[in-house]
Amino acid sequence: KQEVTQIPAALSVPEGENLVLNCSFTDSAIYNLQWFRQDPGKGLTSLLLIQSSQREQTSGRLNASLDKSSGRSTLYIAASQPGDSATYLCAVRVRWGGSEKLVFGKGTKLTVNP
Amino acid sequence: NAGVTQTPKFRILKIGQSMTLQCTQDMNHNYMYWYRQDPGMGLKLIYYSVGAGITDKGEVPNGYNVSRSTTEDFPLRLELAAPSQTSVYFCASSYTIETLYTGELFFGEGSRLTVL
Repeated sequence: KQEVTQIPAALSVPEGENLVLNCSFTDSAIYNLQWFRQDPGKGLTSLLLIQSSQREQTSGRLNASLDKSSGRSTLYIAASQPGDSATYLCAVRVRWGGSEKLVFGKGTKLTVNP
Repeated sequence: NAGVTQTPKFRILKIGQSMTLQCTQDMNHNYMYWYRQDPGMGLKLIYYSVGAGITDKGEVPNGYNVSRSTTEDFPLRLELAAPSQTSVYFCASSYTIETLYTGELFFGEGSRLTVL
């Protein structure tokens, strides 16, 4: 059974700091891995999608890496800003029954202090 | 571009009542999903659909039903609401070609349901 773990559960940093969020998964048989951002009371916004054949994806100040063999992904946020404060979730897309599904981690709650 | 739209955003139900959460997407995605999110528990898959006329159970389907008569719409029905169904419900969609390409998942804003 695929399990996704995100450590730490919460992180507080001063503005301007570079930071790394971690995601680990137990089964390397994934189709892709996706990082999301969730603001309080809101839905999930997709940040980056890494296909299983890829090693990393970049968007602006965000960089996500994927190491399937070790079951790990990291989300790197450069020069953090207070507007980056949110909960960040990772999810892996896996085979499930006759189709596919996403298995989510429980998220890392990030607070960036001015 | 509206993306994935869910209604209602908030609803309070009494035990035993029924209701339907609406979800529609305008991206011509073939796959659609319903998830529930509970504090400290992460997101759990309730039902999913790989195309119009095709639906299947997820991890936690008991107490729910779905239909997919069109590509755009994927309503979730709660029958005989129970307090355990108090949660935030998210609809999502993606474009997927099975075993060939799995696309990015797009979420709606969520529907917050309380059963008293």
